[in-house]
Amino acid sequence: NAGVTQTPKFQVLKTGQSMTLQCAQDMNHNSMYWYRQDPGMGLRLIYYSASEGTTDKGEVPNGYNVSRLNKREFSLRLESAAPSQTSVYFCASSRLLAGGLTDTQYFGPGTRLTVL
Amino acid sequence: DAKTTQPNSMESNEEEPVHLPCNHSTISGTDYIHWYRQLPSQGPEYVIHGLTSNVNNRMASLAIAEDRKSSTLILHRATLRDAAVYYCILKETSGSRLTFGEGTQLTVNP
Repeated sequence: NAGVTQTPKFQVLKTGQSMTLQCAQDMNHNSMYWYRQDPGMGLRLIYYSASEGTTDKGEVPNGYNVSRLNKREFSLRLESAAPSQTSVYFCASSRLLAGGLTDTQYFGPGTRLTVL
Repeated sequence: DAKTTQPNSMESNEEEPVHLPCNHSTISGTDYIHWYRQLPSQGPEYVIHGLTSNVNNRMASLAIAEDRKSSTLILHRATLRDAAVYYCILKETSGSRLTFGEGTQLTVNP
């Protein structure tokens, strides 16, 4: 199993450019998530998808859109990049733990994005 | 979301036990206590979780106070590879979000 994979690993954009960050998981998980992490801070949730076909806003959704393409793939799009979106972006997926009442999240390696 | 409070940083020596504290005085009855850690330049990884009883797994132990207002992650023998930021997170049901604080930066000295 590859787990959670993200592409690209690094990206530099100019202000106003657009791009899509790709995320895929091969663990048959229902839920997927996009977080951003700014230097010296914890992760903040951008969007999540509890199941295929559904998406919901997280803590910091402004400036982003998402698509849950199928059960495996969850993409994050920046329509018009701004310097404030310079960050490390992590994708995650989750599986239920024993008992079925809570779950654990598995994270990808991250995409390091710089917006000039 | 109920909040957690952790020390900003802690230090340990290699092969000694480490006790990482977490306060969560506003925890609700349905909140699970989850611990994740983030090694340098990597995504977070799950460490352990519990509800009321103490828990052990191959990575660590979790000790939960009787009133559930605090918990302690225990690494029994720290290694250099355990140097990471450790996050204590309260989580409701499955499929719900993780709310990360700033965590505890653990330094392990050789």
